[in-house]
Amino acid sequence: EAGVTQFPSHSVIEKGQTVTLRCDPISGHDNLYWYRRVMGKEIKFLLHFVKESKQDESGMPNNRFLAERTGGTYSTLKVQPAELEDSGVYFCASSQDFGVGEQYFGPGTRLTVT
Amino acid sequence: QQQVKQSPQSLIVQKGGISIINCAYENTAFDYFPWYQQFPGKGPALLIAIRPDVSEKKEGRFTISFNKSAKQFSLHIMDSQPGDSATYFCAASRASGTYKYIFGTGTRLKVLA
Repeated sequence: EAGVTQFPSHSVIEKGQTVTLRCDPISGHDNLYWYRRVMGKEIKFLLHFVKESKQDESGMPNNRFLAERTGGTYSTLKVQPAELEDSGVYFCASSQDFGVGEQYFGPGTRLTVT
Repeated sequence: QQQVKQSPQSLIVQKGGISIINCAYENTAFDYFPWYQQFPGKGPALLIAIRPDVSEKKEGRFTISFNKSAKQFSLHIMDSQPGDSATYFCAASRASGTYKYIFGTGTRLKVLA
């Protein structure tokens, strides 16, 4: 069974540009989470989808971030326009059941904004 | 405001030794406490998890000790091996709402051969 995949693995963009990150969860997992780790700090929650609906987007930093999950399958996270403080590693995770339990993480996308 | 505090930030242990990583939380509504292990270039992977109705859980060389009254939990790695060298994250979650994880800042463990 394929795990959670993320694309690209690394992105370097200039301040003011737009970047779109993609996450493909494990097949059949209704729950999809986005997290971000800024260097040396904790992994922070951004938002949670249940199928195509946003369950919780309380962790989204501001309106420059837009997340979508088309048809309840893959998800994209767009940053527009990117700022220097957006640099970090963006993780996607998925889980099967709606409840507390194991989340399966992807390898992350390292975003560098220069 | 950091809800889960993790220490130490880094740890060096000799092969065969015991590695101990500690976490403390504030929110008494948390009731699921996983530990994740991350190797370079990989995503975090669940190592072991505990719920507050037990004080200890052991899986192989890995043990979680949980102290509900002190709001603390720790990971013990017995007979540490060089292959255990990784970053370890503790986390906490609630059994209601979105089940999002609140992570600690991570501990970089290096086990010397």
